[in-house]
Amino acid sequence: DARVTQTPRHKVTEMGQEVTMRCQPILGHNTVFWYRQTMMQGLELLAYFRNRAPLDDSGMPKDRFSAEMPDATLATLKIQPSEPRDSAVYFCASDPGTSGHRYFGPGTRLTVT
Amino acid sequence: SQKIEQNSEALNIQEGKTATLTCNYTNYSPAYLQWYRQDPGRGPVFLLLIRENEKEKRKERLKVTFDTTLKQSLFHITASQPADSATYLCALGPQTGANNLFFGTGTRLTVIP
Repeated sequence: DARVTQTPRHKVTEMGQEVTMRCQPILGHNTVFWYRQTMMQGLELLAYFRNRAPLDDSGMPKDRFSAEMPDATLATLKIQPSEPRDSAVYFCASDPGTSGHRYFGPGTRLTVT
Repeated sequence: SQKIEQNSEALNIQEGKTATLTCNYTNYSPAYLQWYRQDPGRGPVFLLLIRENEKEKRKERLKVTFDTTLKQSLFHITASQPADSATYLCALGPQTGANNLFFGTGTRLTVIP
C-alpha cells in the first residue's frame, strides 16, 4: 500500500530557528505539493512541483520559506527563520498526474514558540 | 477571488440517518469538485470526484451532486455509522492550466450511536 511519508511528524522550535520538513512522495507520482493547514485558513497551497521542477510557489512567503525537490524521492520545505505564525500542520501530497486527486501524507505539526 | 463555504463547522447526526453536507462556492467555475475525508492527526483522504458535466456520483454509501447553476455540491452519507465521524472537505478543481485545488475549511461530522 503506497503512501506519502513525512518527517518529522511533530516539531517544536523556538522563533528564529530553521525548520526543515521532508516528504517522500509515492513512487511514480510526478507532481508533489506542499500545503499548510490551520483552523482559520484551512488548507492552503504553498508550492508544487511537476517532474521535480517548481511550477508555483506563489503561496509561500518567499523571504523565509523555500521548497526544493533534490530528487524524485525527496521534497523539502524549509523555513528560516521561523516565526510563531508559522505554527500549523504542513502536508505533503503527491499526484500521479492521471487520477485528478491528491494523496496526502500524515503531516508535520509545527509549533514555533 | 474564489470563496468556498461548507455548510457548518460541525454536524451531529444519529446513527442510521443520512448525513448531508453542503459545499457552496462563488467567483469560480470549477471543472470538477472533489470530496475528502480527514481524521484527527491525519492527512485528507480522497473520496469522490465529480465533473462539471456530471449531476451525480455514487460510491457505496456515498453520493455527491454537483449543481453548477446553484454553485453547490451536496455530499450524502446514507445509513451513517459512528465510523463515518470525521471532517469532510470539498475542493474545487481548475478548468485548465494550473493544478491548484481550492479547499474549503471542512465540516466536522459526528455520528451518534
